[in-house]
Amino acid sequence: AQKITQTQPGMFVQEKEAVTLDCTYDTSDQSYGLFWYKQPSSGEMIFLIYQGSYDEQNATEGRYSLNFQKARKSANLVISASQLGDSAMYFCAMREGYNQGGKLIFGQGTELSVKP
Amino acid sequence: DTGVSQDPRHKITKRGQNVTFRCDPISEHNRLYWYRQTLGQGPEFLTYFQNEAQLEKSRLLSDRFSAERPKGSFSTLEIQRTEQGDSAMYLCASSLNSRPRTDTQYFGPGTRLTVL
Repeated sequence: AQKITQTQPGMFVQEKEAVTLDCTYDTSDQSYGLFWYKQPSSGEMIFLIYQGSYDEQNATEGRYSLNFQKARKSANLVISASQLGDSAMYFCAMREGYNQGGKLIFGQGTELSVKP
Repeated sequence: DTGVSQDPRHKITKRGQNVTFRCDPISEHNRLYWYRQTLGQGPEFLTYFQNEAQLEKSRLLSDRFSAERPKGSFSTLEIQRTEQGDSAMYLCASSLNSRPRTDTQYFGPGTRLTVL
């Protein structure tokens, strides 16, 4: 069965520093997609970045990058140059299948606090 | 380009009452998803539509829950005979299957349900 594990309930980072949020996953499928979402206190889930299981390069979107280690089944999110507005809950999610629809399985989230 | 919208944003009801929530997806998106999120947890999948067809339902979705997407556009989620355990944030997401992209799900602001 699919499972996403985020082992850091809470993280602190100094403004302008980089931070890594951990995510490990479990699946028996060869084809899958990994996602990171940000959820500020307002509640809306904001898509950040996507990595496909067959993508050879790590995904990057602006200050976000995904450190994908397939053999270790990890998909850590790296946020560079943290900003105060980055303070939020961050969720890692997985969808089985590649480039197709289907449910997302979410981890329990990591609460990131950025200190000025 | 408007995002996913949900109505109402907040609902307070008494145990035993029926409630209905509405979700309007991004206009060209053909897939629509419902999730439920309780405090401190990641979202849990409830059900998923492609156009008007309901393709998957979670075992979490008891007989008291029903969802429709009658014309493949907006969707409704109804909960009959609400229970206190139904108190949660109900999130709607939509996506468009377009290769080579990722079928990324974009979320609405959610409906927060409180059952007294």
